[in-house]
Amino acid sequence: QVTLKESGPVLVKPTETLTLTCTVSGFSLSQPDTGVTWVRQPPGKALEWLAHIFSNDEKSYNTSLNSRLTISKDTPNSRVVLSMTNMDPVDTATYFCARISIHSYDFDYWGQGILITVSS
Amino acid sequence: EIVLTQSPGTLSLSPGERATLSCRASQSVSGNYLTWYQQKRGQAPRLLIHRASNRASGIPDRFSGSGSGTDFTLTISRLEPEDFAVYYCQQYGTSSYTFGQGTKLEIK
Repeated sequence: QVTLKESGPVLVKPTETLTLTCTVSGFSLSQPDTGVTWVRQPPGKALEWLAHIFSNDEKSYNTSLNSRLTISKDTPNSRVVLSMTNMDPVDTATYFCARISIHSYDFDYWGQGILITVSS
Repeated sequence: EIVLTQSPGTLSLSPGERATLSCRASQSVSGNYLTWYQQKRGQAPRLLIHRASNRASGIPDRFSGSGSGTDFTLTISRLEPEDFAVYYCQQYGTSSYTFGQGTKLEIK
């Protein structure tokens, strides 16, 4: 059974760095046909892709946020970490992690999401 | 970056009716890597259709996808009460993804 679960601070201050962890089970981060991605959704708004990392450690970032994002993985502990620097109130959103199926480049399993609020 | 435009923004229909949702890309979607998701309030998105026309595991056959290049359609043949939700299209190309802005399917 594939599951993903996001964890991190629910409240961050402006200018701080957000660090989110996605802990996965039911598959390995070294599995050749998979990857993990992060997607966010401001309240009442659309989904926005942030970054992904594949099993071969290939990474990609949303170009509009590129300089603020870093994604990495800890394969033995089944974790993917996303860092976002210089947080702003407009970054308030629910952050989801999801598994990527390389066969179709779709997101076939999702975590429940974590609401991150940016406020002083 | 490929921009996806979904229409209509809101679709008001009754159970039993047919729903047709559109997703138009600003450039051709390579490999037909066009995916549809359903999202209900307070929940994570759910994968419906991948590679434009392939139903994901466990998705009822009233959901179908079609299209290629820049024009894609999600059709729900006969709406059930549980189908009223927000639908997003998504594309993958040149190592990045974009989502459409969503279509809200509401009960008339």
